[in-house]
Amino acid sequence: EPEVTQTPSHQVTQMGQEVILRCVPISNHLYFYWYRQILGQKVEFLVSFYNNEISEKSEIFDDQFSVERPDGSNFTLKIRSTKLEDSAMYFCASSKGPGEKLFFGSGTQLSVL
Amino acid sequence: RKEVEQDPGPFNVPEGATVAFNCTYSNSASQSFFWYRQDCRKEPKLLMSVYSSGNEDGRFTAQLNRASQYISLLIRDSKLSDSATYLCVVNVYSGGGADGLTFGKGTHLIIQP
Repeated sequence: EPEVTQTPSHQVTQMGQEVILRCVPISNHLYFYWYRQILGQKVEFLVSFYNNEISEKSEIFDDQFSVERPDGSNFTLKIRSTKLEDSAMYFCASSKGPGEKLFFGSGTQLSVL
Repeated sequence: RKEVEQDPGPFNVPEGATVAFNCTYSNSASQSFFWYRQDCRKEPKLLMSVYSSGNEDGRFTAQLNRASQYISLLIRDSKLSDSATYLCVVNVYSGGGADGLTFGKGTHLIIQP
């Protein structure tokens, strides 16, 4: 069964450093998403992406965040200058169409020290 | 972005029992509804979509009441492997592209032998 893959599974970084989280969505999906989950809290929407541009973003997704689809398969989330409060599990997801069920990757656990 | 409310639990239920969860959503424009399951420190996995007519998948039955903005999940003959956090998820499709899902905080279910 096709799946969303994410790398790395764990990322440790120093405050102020840049990190790039990588995702390979399911190949025939057109809609891509990033979510995050702080330990013990709910899954929060960050950003959605369609047709090579951001479709929607939440208030969490400020100027420190950016997304890119650098080629036909990868979808990345960049955090420019990490803060302690960016520590969370970051999930990538994809779907075939708007409003359709999402398939999630296994996540990247980001720890900012 | 409107909210999805769930009873966080935990629900402690003996194996073989029937258990029901409820969820309410505040945005009347919501159009797609799902139950996801999340195991500890893992990604959310789709359990089932929820339709107005109600739908059943094996031991699981989901119901949607649009007038009351209320979604339910019923698990019959519960198994130890059903122990997880159950996430109520709602989508408001604006027609403009990819819209992010809104997650409830989840209901924690513990099935006891």
